[in-house]
Amino acid sequence: EVQLVESGGGLVQPGRSLKLSCVASGFTFSNYGMNWIRQAPGKGLEWVAYISSGSSYIYYAETVKGRFTISRDNAKNTLYLQMTSLRSEDTALYYCARHGHNTYYFDYWGQGVMVTVSS
Amino acid sequence: DIVMTQTPSSQAVSAGEKVTMSCKSSQSLLYSENKKNYLAWYQQKPGQSPKLLISWASTRESGVPDRFIGSGSGTDFTLTISSVQAEDLAVYYCEQYYDTPLTFGSGTKLEIK
Repeated sequence: EVQLVESGGGLVQPGRSLKLSCVASGFTFSNYGMNWIRQAPGKGLEWVAYISSGSSYIYYAETVKGRFTISRDNAKNTLYLQMTSLRSEDTALYYCARHGHNTYYFDYWGQGVMVTVSS
Repeated sequence: DIVMTQTPSSQAVSAGEKVTMSCKSSQSLLYSENKKNYLAWYQQKPGQSPKLLISWASTRESGVPDRFIGSGSGTDFTLTISSVQAEDLAVYYCEQYYDTPLTFGSGTKLEIK
């Protein structure tokens, strides 16, 4: 069974940093592209970042480019999102999501981890 | 960026009724080389993570009831639920994966009368 379990969220002040993790199980993590997607309270879905299976290709939404860094450790089956210079508008539930094999829709999602940016 | 527009924003139907919801993209999602539309539909029930229902505009995921039907091509797409059940209460999102940034529609909230 595919499982994606996020952690690392919490309350953080504007301008500070936070690092999210997503531990994957139930599939060969190193074979799949992975993503972070967020959902502000009561709002829709916003794709944040993508990393290819071998980390060769990385893409970001313009809203986070230069502030967030996506990375992965295939030996640890873990996806990361390093978030810096956090803003109130980054407040959201952050989901880890897997791309389908050789495609770019999201076939499995984690349960999400909440990040609240507030003073 | 490809803009995805979903209508209506919310819809209330009775169990057993047919419902349709629309998703329009600002540019074609049909890739000429493979004749595939790079469009997916997701269901997000209250308090849950989104779940993939349909990929390639019309391919149902394994385990998704056949009352969920995806159709359309190019820039106009539709999700139809042929006979709504109480458990279909959710927000439905379309997503284009033709190009980055990957973008979602704003969702259609389905309410059961």
